[in-house]
Amino acid sequence: NAGVTQTPKFQVLKTGQSMTLQCAQDMNHEYMSWYRQDPGMGLRLIHYSVGAGITDQGEVPNGYNVSRSTTEDFPLRLLSAAPSQTSVYFCASSRVGTGGYNEQFFGPGTRLTVL
Amino acid sequence: DQQVKQNSPSLSVQEGRISILNCDYTNSMFDYFLWYKKYPAEGPTFLISISSIKDKNEDGRFTVFLNKSAKHLSLHIVPSQPGDSAVYFCAARDRTTGNQFYFGTGTSLTVIP
Repeated sequence: NAGVTQTPKFQVLKTGQSMTLQCAQDMNHEYMSWYRQDPGMGLRLIHYSVGAGITDQGEVPNGYNVSRSTTEDFPLRLLSAAPSQTSVYFCASSRVGTGGYNEQFFGPGTRLTVL
Repeated sequence: DQQVKQNSPSLSVQEGRISILNCDYTNSMFDYFLWYKKYPAEGPTFLISISSIKDKNEDGRFTVFLNKSAKHLSLHIVPSQPGDSAVYFCAARDRTTGNQFYFGTGTSLTVIP
């Protein structure tokens, strides 16, 4: 199993450009999520999904769109990049259970710089 | 407003001694707490968790303690090893949403050989 994969690893954009960060998992997990990590801020939830066709906003959703057409894939779209979106982005997945913790498996991250 | 706080950005410990990492939270709706470990240029990896109905959970060298009245949890690593050097994040799940996790800002642990 590859686990959670993210592409690209690094990306530089100019202000106003758009792009899609790719995330895929092969563990048949229902739950997928996107976080951004900024210095002094920890990881903050952008969007998440509990299954194909279902998405919801997290703490910091503005400027980002997501869709979930398959169980495996959960792309994150930046429609018009801004310097404030310079960050490291992590995708994560987990099972959805009615009880117990839901350990999240994280991808290796995408480091995005917006000039 | 940060709901999960790790007030110590860094910690240095001698090899073989105990490492204690602390985490405070403000939301009484949190029902699960987790610790993740992160090496540079990698994603976080799950370490240990605890349910809000317990006050202690142990897994090998790692023990997590939860004090609900103080809204405080801690991670103890005994004995500390150089390979434990990493950034540690605590995280909490909000039971009212079920699927939203809130992370602290992380503590960078250095274990000195």
